[in-house]
Amino acid sequence: EAGVTQFPSHSVIEKGQTVTLRCDPISGHDNLYWYRRVMGKEIKFLLHFVKESKQDESGMPNNRFLAERTGGTYSTLKVQPAELEDSGVYFCASSQEARTSQYFGPGTRLTVL
Amino acid sequence: AQTVTQSQPEMSVQEAETVTLSCTYDTSESDYYLFWYKQPPSRQMILVIRQEAYKQQNATENRFSVNFQKAAKSFSLKISDSQLGDAAMYFCAYRTLLTSGTYKYIFGTGTRLKVLA
Repeated sequence: EAGVTQFPSHSVIEKGQTVTLRCDPISGHDNLYWYRRVMGKEIKFLLHFVKESKQDESGMPNNRFLAERTGGTYSTLKVQPAELEDSGVYFCASSQEARTSQYFGPGTRLTVL
Repeated sequence: AQTVTQSQPEMSVQEAETVTLSCTYDTSESDYYLFWYKQPPSRQMILVIRQEAYKQQNATENRFSVNFQKAAKSFSLKISDSQLGDAAMYFCAYRTLLTSGTYKYIFGTGTRLKVLA
């Protein structure tokens, strides 16, 4: 069974540009989460989808971040415009049910110059 | 608010030896889950072991075991017979339930484990 996949693995962009990260959850997992790890700090929760609906987006840092999950399958996280402090590793996770263990992807390393 | 602390940024262990990674947390909840995740370089973050707070028995998974001290709010991971493939970043995590119904993981800053041949 394929795990959670994320694309791209690395992205380097200039400040002010737009970047879109993609996450493909494990097939059949209705729950999809986004987390972020800023360099040297802890991994922090951003938001949670149940199918195509946002269940909780309390961790989203500001309105430059937009997450979507059209059709309830893969999800995208767009950063527009990117700022230097957005650099870090963005993790996606999925779970079959809300209370079951979350399975994480390898992350996308974003560098904003 | 819940917090998770991993006080060891980096640890080293000789191959075949045993190493213990520490994790402490703070919470006012009585029932919760704790996790250890492992992330090898540029690879998937893998669930190593899970502990339910209401279970007194420490969880074990092959060479991995935990020492769960609920009163002390301590959740250390012991790796026995360390192998080169154990080299990775290890994250301790606490699962909490938000009012929205979302289960959110709260992570520590991670411990990088090096295994020496």
